[in-house]
Amino acid sequence: SAVISQKPSRDICQRGTSLTIQCQVDSQVTMMFWYRQQPGQSLTLIATANQGSEATYESGFVIDKFPISRPNLTFSTLTVSNMSPEDSSIYLCSVVLRHGNTEAFFGQGTRLTVV
Amino acid sequence: GQQLNQSPQSMFIQEGEDVSMNCTSSSIFNTWLWYKQDPGEGPVLLIALYKAGELTSNGRLTAQFGITRKDSFLNISASIPSDVGIYFCAGPPRAGGTSYGKLTFGQGTILTVHP
Repeated sequence: SAVISQKPSRDICQRGTSLTIQCQVDSQVTMMFWYRQQPGQSLTLIATANQGSEATYESGFVIDKFPISRPNLTFSTLTVSNMSPEDSSIYLCSVVLRHGNTEAFFGQGTRLTVV
Repeated sequence: GQQLNQSPQSMFIQEGEDVSMNCTSSSIFNTWLWYKQDPGEGPVLLIALYKAGELTSNGRLTAQFGITRKDSFLNISASIPSDVGIYFCAGPPRAGGTSYGKLTFGQGTILTVHP
């Protein structure tokens, strides 16, 4: 497995502002992903963070709302833009260690509350 | 897209009892993963299954890949209080290609263990 660190672990933000979440891995990984877990719900994939190119978004998620960066093989950021209370969720970073591997490992998550 | 139906939604059991939960899909999955999520944490991978009919154990946990490839089961024997948490099944929505690491999750089973 890998050690996956997310910052911040939690935050309370005002509506209309933006928050950038960082994900740092202790080793180089092939794939990095961002998931959202709404209160009491399961996990939903937001996007694949591609190194050196634009992220690939899943249906229902757009770059203007969730811009993602991945400058290298160990680091990625997710920004939640122009937040509203509906964005209150846990945001999770996930990695796959090797190409062709299906097993994904998760960070501890960032609990976001928008007021 | 593919959906995973997980049951039961919640379970309340006495310490020492065995637990069984399952996950079904309307379409074939080539991999089944079982995760556990503790409060305030990200999901932790428990067991990965790759072949139809495969039966894999991890301590008191046993999981099986259904022969039809449309279902999977997770059993916990002799439950203890630290088994409390949310258990998720998950699998890649499509085989191979750019889907590695991209997971569809079941709704989760909330397990409560009474001492």
